Amino acid sequence: EVQLLESGGGLVQPGGSLRLSCAASGFTFSIYGMSWARQAPGKGLEWVSGISGSVGNTYYADSVKGRFTISRDNSKNTLYLQMNSLRAEDTAVYYCAKTKQWLATAPLDYWGQGTLVTVSS
Amino acid sequence: DIQMTQSPSSLSASVGDRVTITCGASQSISSHLNWYQKKPGKAPKLMIYGASSLQSGVPSRFSGSGSGTDFTLTISSLQPEDFATYYCQQSYSTPLSFGGGTKVEIK
Repeated sequence: EVQLLESGGGLVQPGGSLRLSCAASGFTFSIYGMSWARQAPGKGLEWVSGISGSVGNTYYADSVKGRFTISRDNSKNTLYLQMNSLRAEDTAVYYCAKTKQWLATAPLDYWGQGTLVTVSS
Repeated sequence: DIQMTQSPSSLSASVGDRVTITCGASQSISSHLNWYQKKPGKAPKLMIYGASSLQSGVPSRFSGSGSGTDFTLTISSLQPEDFATYYCQQSYSTPLSFGGGTKVEIK
């Protein structure tokens, strides 16, 4: 059974940093693309970042480019999102998701339950 | 960047109704269009991928169609568990993008 468990969310001040983790199990983590997406309170879904399987090519939404970094540790079956220079508009529930193949752009077939990030002073 | 537009933004329907949601892309995305179901407090769920392929485990009352810039999600006979918000998403190019969502409510 595929399982994705996010952690690392919490309250952070504007300008601060946070690192999210996503522990994966139930599939061969290294060969699949992975993504982070978010949903701000009362808003729709927004794709944040993706990373391909194997080679690990990375991609970002314009809204987070230069501030967020996606990475993966295939030896630990874990996906990460390093978030720097956080802004109030980054407040959201952050989801990690697995893609249907190695491409970072493939459909997202399994999602975690999400972790809440709140950026406020 | 590719913009995705959904309509309507919300609709009211009764159990047993046929429901249709449309999604448009700002440029051709071939068949790289996916549909997700989102319920409050729950993870999004992939329903349809590649515009018309049913994800494993999804009931056959859900179907998708379209290619290029215009797409449709149809629920043939709405069930109580289908009341949720539905999002289209293009996976043609990065940055990936979602539509604004369609909330399906009980009439």
